[in-house]
Amino acid sequence: RKEVEQDPGPFNVPEGATVAFNCTYSNSASQSFFWYRQDCRKEPKLLMSVYSSGNEDGRFTAQLNRASQYISLLIRDSKLSDSATYLCVVNGGSNTGKLIFGQGTTLQVKP
Amino acid sequence: GAVVSQHPSRVICKSGTSVKIECRSLDFQATTMFWYRQFPKQSLMLMATSNEGSKATYEQGVEKDKFLINHASLTLSTLTVTSAHPEDSSFYICSATQGGRGVSGYTFGSGTRLTVV
Repeated sequence: RKEVEQDPGPFNVPEGATVAFNCTYSNSASQSFFWYRQDCRKEPKLLMSVYSSGNEDGRFTAQLNRASQYISLLIRDSKLSDSATYLCVVNGGSNTGKLIFGQGTTLQVKP
Repeated sequence: GAVVSQHPSRVICKSGTSVKIECRSLDFQATTMFWYRQFPKQSLMLMATSNEGSKATYEQGVEKDKFLINHASLTLSTLTVTSAHPEDSSFYICSATQGGRGVSGYTFGSGTRLTVV
């Protein structure tokens, strides 16, 4: 079983749509959770951290369910510029600081 | 903000040669550097963790004699792919941390696309 699992997609949605991505992780000792965005052939960039209470940053909302070991990302009012791969990232659950990346979910927003 | 400079951004080399990739933290001291590899349509896979002044810790399945990592200073870590083969062609990315585990704790380099012909 992969440590971090995501539906690879692709998700093809029209502009203005709301889209949700899900992620599950296997290490119950993980303490830090993130969503990163990766554009084609570029390095990943931090989109937002994910907190137990849920957090929102503009059109983006992240949720964490520790009991189910489940993380989600909701994007409202999709823009063309949101087209990218979204990576669910979890720390390794130890003091090493290692980040474990999911396979990524590809989003394609169409006009 | 924290910046990590990685180069070269792209390299093509002949099979059997070695390639060195550098990552420098420009405005902070990187106590730990992580090296990742990403094959097309796959996730970033951690190859090794290096702490300044000590030997790198390699992930299972990563050959330490093939992927030499040096972290001789707090601002520079290098990855050398020795005797490269076409199957080593991949996107290699470094990440540096000052030791924090929070949002601002990790800074990624821009990646190196290696093609072995």
